[in-house]
Amino acid sequence: EAGVVQSPRYKIIEKKQPVAFWCNPISGHNTLYWYRQNLGQGPELLIRYENEEAVDDSQLPKDRFSAERLKGVDSTLKIQPAELGDSAVYLCASSPTNTGELFFGEGSRLTVL
Amino acid sequence: GQSLEQPSEVTAVEGAIVQINCTYQTSGFYGLSWYQQHDGGAPTFLSYNALDGLEETGRFSSFLSRSDSYGYLLLQELQMKDSASYFCASTDSWGKLQFGAGTQVVVTP
Repeated sequence: EAGVVQSPRYKIIEKKQPVAFWCNPISGHNTLYWYRQNLGQGPELLIRYENEEAVDDSQLPKDRFSAERLKGVDSTLKIQPAELGDSAVYLCASSPTNTGELFFGEGSRLTVL
Repeated sequence: GQSLEQPSEVTAVEGAIVQINCTYQTSGFYGLSWYQQHDGGAPTFLSYNALDGLEETGRFSSFLSRSDSYGYLLLQELQMKDSASYFCASTDSWGKLQFGAGTQVVVTP
């Protein structure tokens, strides 16, 4: 069974440029999460989807961040414009049920110069 | 809201036992999970406790006390490959999963 797939693995951009990350969850997993992880810290939830509905986006900086999950499968996270402080690893995870067991992708490491 | 506290670092020798404590403050608490993350890698699920008591999975065990808002992860027979960061994460009744800051475990020969 394929795991959670994310792309790109690495991205380097200049500040004020846009960037987008893509995630393909494990087949059949209805719940999809986007987390941001800074070095030496725990993952911080940005947004959670149940199928195509965003059920928790309270920690998503909506002035520059947006996300979508069309058809309740793949998801895209966008930052426009990027700021220096956005440099981090963006992790996508999926889960079949509310059991506390999330399956993470390898993450997309963003560097903003 | 949710907040979790765990020690920042623990050092132990191979073959030893390490206990990582986690205290949480979570509205509508539902369960506590543990994840392992090696440098440069993705977090991987270790265990989940929704009920009080001990859950054992091989060399790793996890404990939860809901009345004390406390849990721990026990790593036995430590191996060099266990050097990693370990995160506790609480799930609330709405399905939100929030992570602690992580505990770096350093295993020495």
